[in-house]
Amino acid sequence: DTEVTQTPKHLVRGMTNKKSLKCEQHMGHRAMYWYKQKAKKPPELMFVYSYEKLSINESVPSRFSPECPNSSLLNLHLHALQPEDSALYLCASSHTDRDNSPLHFGNGTRLTVT
Amino acid sequence: AQSVSQHNHHVILSEAASLELGCNYSYGGTVNLFWYVQYPGQHLQLLLKYFSGDPLVKGIKGFEAEFIKSKFSFNLRKPSVQWSDTAEYFCAVRAGGYNKLIFGAGTRLAVHP
Repeated sequence: DTEVTQTPKHLVRGMTNKKSLKCEQHMGHRAMYWYKQKAKKPPELMFVYSYEKLSINESVPSRFSPECPNSSLLNLHLHALQPEDSALYLCASSHTDRDNSPLHFGNGTRLTVT
Repeated sequence: AQSVSQHNHHVILSEAASLELGCNYSYGGTVNLFWYVQYPGQHLQLLLKYFSGDPLVKGIKGFEAEFIKSKFSFNLRKPSVQWSDTAEYFCAVRAGGYNKLIFGAGTRLAVHP
């Protein structure tokens, strides 16, 4: 079982609904990540948080809004979704964003936009 | 920009066959290399990693990978696969200062009993 917990596991949303994806880890990691994985594609980096501050935004549309309330939690707020946003959203964490520590991934939230 | 190429998209093997999955990356500087595995319905798990030192790296579940700098390659191998190795395998590279992984397209491995 993974030590990175993501909720919910599945989410079906209409294009006008708002919702948040949540991620939690208690390994003391200070870097947290959001990745997006479309079907039969590799994970693609969206955001990196380091010590609760956004350090990387990979030109993600503004309808995706990340938030890191504390070192253990990472949220991804969604609004005005588009059908192409349907994907598996993966959260990951590592000791820091600058060292060689491997990423630990959660099971993901599968988002379907109708 | 860095990129990772996995040449085999689908591989089908019988149990006890040997496995080699290709991975090539493009980056001229120092890289860290990883293989992750994603079993059906499960999260991405680290199989093995290379940072420096011995270019032959041993990972979990009998997997190993060899870093060949001159070929920009990091191929994954296993001498004898099992049905339980059925999964998708991703090669990934981290280049530069940030812990930012670039993944290859993945290889789906199906092992038949």
